[in-house]
Amino acid sequence: GAVVSQHPSRVICKSGTSVKIECRSLDFQATTMFWYRQFPKQSLMLMATSNEGSKATYEQGVEKDKFLINHASLTLSTLTVTSAHPEDSSFYICSATRYTEAFFGQGTRLTVV
Amino acid sequence: GENVEQHPSTLSVQEGDSAVIKCTYSDSASNYFPWYKQELGKGPQLIIDIRSNVGEKKDQRIAVTLNKTAKHFSLHITETQPEDSAVYFCAVGGSARQLTFGSGTQLTVLP
Repeated sequence: GAVVSQHPSRVICKSGTSVKIECRSLDFQATTMFWYRQFPKQSLMLMATSNEGSKATYEQGVEKDKFLINHASLTLSTLTVTSAHPEDSSFYICSATRYTEAFFGQGTRLTVV
Repeated sequence: GENVEQHPSTLSVQEGDSAVIKCTYSDSASNYFPWYKQELGKGPQLIIDIRSNVGEKKDQRIAVTLNKTAKHFSLHITETQPEDSAVYFCAVGGSARQLTFGSGTQLTVLP
């Protein structure tokens, strides 16, 4: 299947700093990527839809100034958690669709201390 | 919007037995139904999917059945193995670009 690479897999940052997570589609172009957040033992919650060359579409309740999304190319989307706080600690996952299938990155475990 | 319910939340089976996980959905217009396996600390991996013009699809030990009239679909794993232990999510959408996920099922295969 298609490969979606997410980096870093784990990151620990201090409260108040910003963290950038990258999502790359390695063997296909993705005009749209998705960012999810997952709490322990819970399902995936869609945060935003990342559109190449235009602004991201955020789900209700997700702060766009807190979670900055940039889709600079057809193979790369980035999620920046700005001024991170402990409550932002979570598992963040991206996905990209090729043809009719959605493929997920391996996830990023963010811990804010 | 779409509402997806998944049952059971946990399932334990003996190695070699079958496991069945069921999902129901609310939007009759949905036509794409994938299943994902998620291992601890990793992203979800697509294991099988089905579209509304098909009632059943099988891939080796894994099968999915769809009942569009009743708006439910199920994942069937036969001859379970310890490496099948993981969290399984169903999802529903008009396409792979718009997915709503179920709450997940923790499957444990006991050796």
